[in-house]
Amino acid sequence: GAVVSQHPSWVICKSGTSVKIECRSLDFQATTMFWYRQFPKQSLMLMATSNEGSKATYEQGVEKDKFLINHASLTLSTLTVTSAHPEDSSFYICSARVTVAKNIQYFGAGTRLSVL
Amino acid sequence: AQSVTQLDSQVPVFEEAPVELRCNYSSSVSVYLFWYVQYPNQGLQLLLKYLSGSTLVKGINGFEAEFNKSQTSFHLRKPSVHISDTAEYFCAVREQGAQKLVFGQGTRLTINP
Repeated sequence: GAVVSQHPSWVICKSGTSVKIECRSLDFQATTMFWYRQFPKQSLMLMATSNEGSKATYEQGVEKDKFLINHASLTLSTLTVTSAHPEDSSFYICSARVTVAKNIQYFGAGTRLSVL
Repeated sequence: AQSVTQLDSQVPVFEEAPVELRCNYSSSVSVYLFWYVQYPNQGLQLLLKYLSGSTLVKGINGFEAEFNKSQTSFHLRKPSVHISDTAEYFCAVREQGAQKLVFGQGTRLTINP
């Protein structure tokens, strides 16, 4: 199956710093990528949807200035957590889809962010 | 808007026993249905999907699920589980024409020897 690579798998940062998470589709071109956040023992909450070359669409309640999403190419999307605080600590998972017609989302392995 | 309910947050089962993980959805339009598995500290892996056609779909690792439109259900089953099936299982639905995949709350399947 298709592979989505997410990097880093784990990052620890100081409060107030910014962290960038990369999501790459390794063997396919992803017109749409999704970013999710998962709290311990909970489900995945969609943060934003991004289409290549367009601005991301954020879900209600997600601060677009805090969680910057860039989808500059068909194989790469990045999520930057700006001025991170301890409450931003979470598991972030990206997902990629070829097209709506290709009805499968492939998921990265996730990034655990710990903000001290 | 669509929603997904996984009725059991935890399901303990003995090894080699059968298991059913329940999933119900709510939507006013046609939907696509998915089951994903998540092992600890990992992303999600697709187990199986229903897009159209036969209501009984078979997936990886011996899992299968049946789409029941009248009951708006998509329960996941396996006739004989293994220790390695211990994981979190998520049911998800996407309405036709929509971008968003909506997840259920997850069911933690624990296999006891």
